[in-house]
Amino acid sequence: AQKVTQAQTEISVVEKEDVTLDCVYETRDTTYYLFWYKQPPSGELVFLIRRNSFDEQNEISGRYSWNFQKSTSSFNFTITASQVVDSAVYFCALINAGKSTFGDGTTLTVKP
Amino acid sequence: NAGVTQTPKFRVLKTGQSMTLLCAQDMNHEYMYWYRQDPGMGLRLIHYSVGEGTTAKGEVPDGYNVSRLKKQNFLLGLESAAPSQTSVYFCASSYWDSTDTQYFGPGTRLTVL
Repeated sequence: AQKVTQAQTEISVVEKEDVTLDCVYETRDTTYYLFWYKQPPSGELVFLIRRNSFDEQNEISGRYSWNFQKSTSSFNFTITASQVVDSAVYFCALINAGKSTFGDGTTLTVKP
Repeated sequence: NAGVTQTPKFRVLKTGQSMTLLCAQDMNHEYMYWYRQDPGMGLRLIHYSVGEGTTAKGEVPDGYNVSRLKKQNFLLGLESAAPSQTSVYFCASSYWDSTDTQYFGPGTRLTVL
């Protein structure tokens, strides 16, 4: 069975602080895909990033960056200079053929 | 493009009643999915479809049935609703397979009394 652990249930920061959301996964498969989704208070799920198991390059997109380390089975997400609009629940997911496993999510609150 | 739409947005049922949730996508995606999200938890896969006329069970299929008669539509049915099925239901679709980016609908909030 595969598993995704987001140990941080809730995080609260003040605007402009940097914040890192942790994601640790378990799988026996050698080919798999990792995702991050954002769920703002409105409830929809917004795709942020997709990464396959063979691509360990870190990625930066504006204020967002992702650190994928197979050696520690982690796929962490950092928001630089956080903003109030970043307040949301963030989900990490591990998906491979026929199996979709989501973490329980991290609720991020950014205070002005 | 509307993307992925879900009907209805909210519904309240009594125990034992039946209903069907409709998901529609206009992106010509092959794969479609139904998830449920319970408070404080991530999404769990109920059923999915790899193409028109085909469906498969996910992680939590019991108590649900699905049909994919048209490529753009994926229906989720509850034959005899139970309070344990109170949840938010999300539909998603992807172009290639489940490892491709999944695009989600806005969700349906279902309460079973």
